[in-house]
Amino acid sequence: QVQLQESGPGLVKPSQTLSLTCTVSGGSISSGSYYWSWIRQPAGKGLEWIGRIYTSGSTNYNPSLKSRVTISVDTSKNQFSLKLSSVTAADTAVYYCARGIREDWNRYYFDYWGQGTLVTVSS
Amino acid sequence: QSVLTQPPSVSGAPGQRVTISCTGSSSNIGAGYDVHWYQQLPGTAPKLLIYGNSNRPSGVPDRFSGSKSGTSASLAITGLQAEDEADYYCQSYDSSLSGSMVFGGGTKLTVL
Repeated sequence: QVQLQESGPGLVKPSQTLSLTCTVSGGSISSGSYYWSWIRQPAGKGLEWIGRIYTSGSTNYNPSLKSRVTISVDTSKNQFSLKLSSVTAADTAVYYCARGIREDWNRYYFDYWGQGTLVTVSS
Repeated sequence: QSVLTQPPSVSGAPGQRVTISCTGSSSNIGAGYDVHWYQQLPGTAPKLLIYGNSNRPSGVPDRFSGSKSGTSASLAITGLQAEDEADYYCQSYDSSLSGSMVFGGGTKLTVL
């Protein structure tokens, strides 16, 4: 059973960089046709996809966040990470990491999710 | 504003059937990209409920079903139970947004 666990500071000051790590257990991050994503959810609101990375290092980002986001992977540690720069209060949210599957040219979805971690942006 | 449009809320009595719609456009659902559904119980992470428009992962009751037509998709829940009270999200892929995954705004299901 694959498990994902987010970790990182729960409080970040405005204008600083938010950094989170997702540790994958129960399977190798390098195996299979998977991609690894970050998704966030402000309190009381819906889900927003942030971006994804394949273990090849190839990335895709949400255009609305692209200028501030970097996602990286460390296969030796079975981890992938998120950096979001120049944060404001609008970036306060629960951040989830998730495993994505591409089964065909038209089928992309998320089968495993971490429990989520709350990050608050405040001075 | 979400790329995929869902009703903010739906409700139904125990035992009834409810449906949740998800409307997209020609760059996502209408382009042939599959729709997937997630259930989010209060205070928990989303859980995959339906993938590939109509497929249920192992362990998901057959009370849950999905369909897709044109630029829209639907999630149906029959035999409504109190434990089904949750937020439901649809998700697809959008070719006009640099290969982005897109979500609906979510629908709150209340079991009366």
